Amino acid sequence: GAGVSQSPRYKVAKRGQDVALRCDPISGHVSLFWYQQALGQGPEFLTYFQNEAQLDKSGLPSDRFFAERPEGSVSTLKIQRTQQEDSAVYLCASSPKDWNHYEQYFGPGTRLTVT
Amino acid sequence: GDSVTQMEGPVTLSEEAFLTINCTYTATGYPSLFWYVQYPGEGLQLLLKATKADDKGSNKGFEATYRKETTSFHLEKGSVQVSDSAVYFCAPPQLDSSYKLIFGSGTRLLVRP
Repeated sequence: GAGVSQSPRYKVAKRGQDVALRCDPISGHVSLFWYQQALGQGPEFLTYFQNEAQLDKSGLPSDRFFAERPEGSVSTLKIQRTQQEDSAVYLCASSPKDWNHYEQYFGPGTRLTVT
Repeated sequence: GDSVTQMEGPVTLSEEAFLTINCTYTATGYPSLFWYVQYPGEGLQLLLKATKADDKGSNKGFEATYRKETTSFHLEKGSVQVSDSAVYFCAPPQLDSSYKLIFGSGTRLLVRP
């Protein structure tokens, strides 16, 4: 079946603009994660959903970052008043409900460049 | 908190050479351990996993054994190919309710023909 998809793949924003990044997880996957990957670094956790509930948002760097998953499937990561330090690749991952399997399946990412 | 340490890259090898990428972690009791691979310009792909202590994960000629006594999960391949050039991440799940993955900075592998 289809994997995790993300859109847009690339986004250029002027400093101060708001952006919205979309994630379509694998159908039926209960868990959804957002990560931020700076150039040359490993991904860093941002937030986690189980169905529509946002159970962990400890990794969101500031209150300019907001994520939602209102119907328990598609998720949107919104960044308000973008800053240059927000430039990174934003990765979405989903994971099945079966807790014998903790692996996550990643989308291709959205590369955000703030100018 | 939990952390993972990988050997620094880049690792440069000739085709058909033996590969080892070391990975150690701080916590114990992980339910599973993973290696992910990121090919140039692509997203992260699950390379292999081990689901319990002493379990060996394998895929595409790569292997890694979950060593509880040494808290290690080293990645090995007997004969690398140019197409294996990528960044490799060892990623244990944090031991909390989310099981979010903990990534180090990754190890870049470059295989020359």
